[in-house]
Amino acid sequence: ILNVEQSPQSLHVQEGDSTNFTCSFPSSNFYALHWYRWETAKSPEALFVMTLNGDEKKKGRISATLNTKEGYSYLYIKGSQPEDSATYLCAPNILTGGGNKLTFGTGTQLKVEL
Amino acid sequence: DTGVSQDPRHKITKRGQNVTFRCDPISEHNRLYWYRQTLGQGPEFLTYFQNEAQLEKSRLLSDRFSAERPKGSFSTLEIQRTEQGDSAMYLCASTPETGELFFGEGSRLTVL
Repeated sequence: ILNVEQSPQSLHVQEGDSTNFTCSFPSSNFYALHWYRWETAKSPEALFVMTLNGDEKKKGRISATLNTKEGYSYLYIKGSQPEDSATYLCAPNILTGGGNKLTFGTGTQLKVEL
Repeated sequence: DTGVSQDPRHKITKRGQNVTFRCDPISEHNRLYWYRQTLGQGPEFLTYFQNEAQLEKSRLLSDRFSAERPKGSFSTLEIQRTEQGDSAMYLCASTPETGELFFGEGSRLTVL
């Protein structure tokens, strides 16, 4: 079983604050790293799929970086808004010989307050 | 709506009963995954299909769980002789290859 760790577990911020989360994962046999946002009562939605060491991706106010050598990724949200409130999940795709599947972390639960 | 759909959205059952969930993936996607999510945890891999072939099943999954994708389109996940520990959100996702997963809204199971 892969050890995927996300921190913090939960976060409360004020509207307009910038925030970041961490995802750490085994660096060997790395294939890709996924970030998903899961809002309450909705389905998880992909934010980014990253494959290359040093990758940086951006979607609006949200961006992510990837370090495959040391096995971590950061997700940044600039100027948080209430609609950013959700659980943010990271999931590495590690080639283990057991097939192609994602292993999810426990997520970071973000609450943005007015 | 051409997204991933799951049915039923909610299921309450008594311990010992059998339940079946259905997932209709996005039509052109050949890979289909089942995950289970319990409170405070991330989604846990159960099994996945490429077309109609079940390529992997989690070792954590007991023999009471079985999944099928008979024609490479929709899939069913059956749980026999349910136990209270089976209470969870069961998520289905599909993807055309090895890119992002497209998830359904899940089927929430409560075993009394």
